Amino acid sequence: AQKITQTQPGMFVQEKEAVTLDCTYDTSDPSYGLFWYKQPSSGEMIFLIYQGSYDQQNATEGRYSLNFQKARKSANLVISASQLGDSAMYFCAMPGGYNKLIFGAGTRLAVHP
Amino acid sequence: DSGVTQTPKHLITATGQRVTLRCSPRSGDLSVYWYQQSLDQGLQFLIQYYNGEERAKGNILERFSAQQFPDLHSELNLSSLELGDSALYFCASSVVGSIQETQYFGPGTRLLVL
Repeated sequence: AQKITQTQPGMFVQEKEAVTLDCTYDTSDPSYGLFWYKQPSSGEMIFLIYQGSYDQQNATEGRYSLNFQKARKSANLVISASQLGDSAMYFCAMPGGYNKLIFGAGTRLAVHP
Repeated sequence: DSGVTQTPKHLITATGQRVTLRCSPRSGDLSVYWYQQSLDQGLQFLIQYYNGEERAKGNILERFSAQQFPDLHSELNLSSLELGDSALYFCASSVVGSIQETQYFGPGTRLLVL
């Protein structure tokens, strides 16, 4: 069965600095994807970035990038030039059976001015 | 804005009652998922529908049921509510529900059972 582990319950970063949020996963599927979602205090789940297991390059979406290391089964989210609006919970997820998403416990990021 | 809508945004009810949560997927999406987010269980998959048919069931209680209508909107029915059912309920949608597709989430319905 698929499993997602996020070992950092909380992180803080100074505004304009970069921050890395860790995610490790476990799966026996040869083809899979990793997703990152952001959940601000208002509650909605916002899709940030996706990495496919066969993608040759690490995914990038604006200030978000994925440091995907397949051999280590890690898919860390890197946020560059942090902004106050980046303060939120961040969830790593991957599809389980029937494409349901399996989520990690999340990391709460606080951006300080 | 993900394009997925959910109503109501907040719901306060009493134990033993029944409520219905409504979800409209993004235009063109055929697959709808329901998730529950609680403090002790985290984000848990409940059920998935594809084009009106149930496709997968997760940790959904027998007191809960769902359906997807011909216009593709979906409803999640929660009955005989207990205090522990208090949670944030999300609907998500994707085009056909394949493994590499992104699921886009609605804003959620925050349910409080008193």
